[in-house]
Amino acid sequence: DTEVTQTPKHLVMGMTNKKSLKCEQHMGHRAMYWYKQKAKKPPELMFVYSYEKLSINESVPSRFSPECPNSSLLNLHLHALQPEDSALYLCASSHRFEGPGANVLTFGAGSRLTVL
Amino acid sequence: AQSVTQLGSHVSVSEGALVLLRCNYSSSVPPYLFWYVQYPNQGLQLLLKYTSAATLVKGINGFEAEFKKSETSFHLTKPSAHMSDAAEYFCAVTPGALNFGKGTSLLVTP
Repeated sequence: DTEVTQTPKHLVMGMTNKKSLKCEQHMGHRAMYWYKQKAKKPPELMFVYSYEKLSINESVPSRFSPECPNSSLLNLHLHALQPEDSALYLCASSHRFEGPGANVLTFGAGSRLTVL
Repeated sequence: AQSVTQLGSHVSVSEGALVLLRCNYSSSVPPYLFWYVQYPNQGLQLLLKYTSAATLVKGINGFEAEFKKSETSFHLTKPSAHMSDAAEYFCAVTPGALNFGKGTSLLVTP
């Protein structure tokens, strides 16, 4: 299995809703990432988990709450979002985050979020 | 810190023509460089990577890139464009999490 699976593919939510995005990989990777991508822009790093511990939080607002229950799963909990948070949210994984050698990320297809 | 700059936000080529997408890097340490492709409404797919083993790197779908330290470049080429190559292309650099360039949108005309 060489895939990163993201669910749901599309999500529409109101500003008062609570929802979650899910990401799963079975490649034995120990680093997992959340990126946010606005239209016609490159992906922007949000969070990095390394060995199930949060390693990087790129000053993301607290209305986004990541969770890594185990080495295969990564969640992004959403609460009280704003319309400007509407974007494609990409999950990725790699063998490890730090250390020698190239860090090759495998991306999921993304979850497209619309906040009304 | 490592960063990449992609020259040209839009590139248009005719089907069968040479594709050249430009990427220059800035790094205080030997970089690892990547090209990813993103088709509409999809995630990113790795085209190729430079890991210092060879300066000319061959990737999927007929693409290749050459690492030139003297020019701090890692340009992506394909000898003959196909309609299916139309997509957004991102150059990226590590170590650590990927830092992406702004992307180049490739249009292929019949």
